[in-house]
Amino acid sequence: QSVLTQPPSASGTPGQRVTISCSGSSSNIGTNTVNWYQQFPGTAPRLLIYNNNHRPSGVPDRFSGSKSGTSASLAISGLQSEDEADYYCAAWDDSLNGRWVFGGGTKLTVL
Amino acid sequence: QVQLQQSGPGLVKPSQTLSLTCAISGDSVSSNSAAWNWIRQSPARGLEWLGRTYYRSKWYNHYAVSVKSRITINPDTSKNQFSLQLSSVTPEDTAVYYCARTNGYLDYWGQGTLVTVSS
Repeated sequence: QSVLTQPPSASGTPGQRVTISCSGSSSNIGTNTVNWYQQFPGTAPRLLIYNNNHRPSGVPDRFSGSKSGTSASLAISGLQSEDEADYYCAAWDDSLNGRWVFGGGTKLTVL
Repeated sequence: QVQLQQSGPGLVKPSQTLSLTCAISGDSVSSNSAAWNWIRQSPARGLEWLGRTYYRSKWYNHYAVSVKSRITINPDTSKNQFSLQLSSVTPEDTAVYYCARTNGYLDYWGQGTLVTVSS
């Protein structure tokens, strides 16, 4: 069972806006920043959003992140077929001597 | 551009030690700002952080409580790489293992190594 909670699935049609939620607690999201990753089958996770709402170079501005309290969200606007992938949130957790914790992942389907 | 290249066996027998190496290019294992992590992913456990090594005037290791008694992460400055050893493995340790850098956040990842624990 993952420390951060995400919906297992999400879907949308091309051009739509989709949001994926990530819920945590005071020891992780409530205190530390949130990062988001995109993962295609058979490949490593790719950093999509860091420090709640910053995009690394090369990530389209269709991707955006936000955080409020102990929850965070990833939004994808202008959905494209190539966005079909698994998405994970992650944050540092101050409990158990400190550790990185992750969400269980959300499989995004582009209909 | 930082690149992490993993190597190591994909099959380990139960009770034996899992060993993987992560070679770094584009950064230094002795960096005073980065940390070098091992993470695994399995259908049953999802993404699980295992531990890290980092240098801040001296070397530090920091391990997840869940594997603390079985894990060792070592830097190798001569080869600019770091390694993972996980002892007394069981089939529950079957997973894809990743090395990754943190520089405030997990930014660069290795390609992943599927390690199967089976006799």
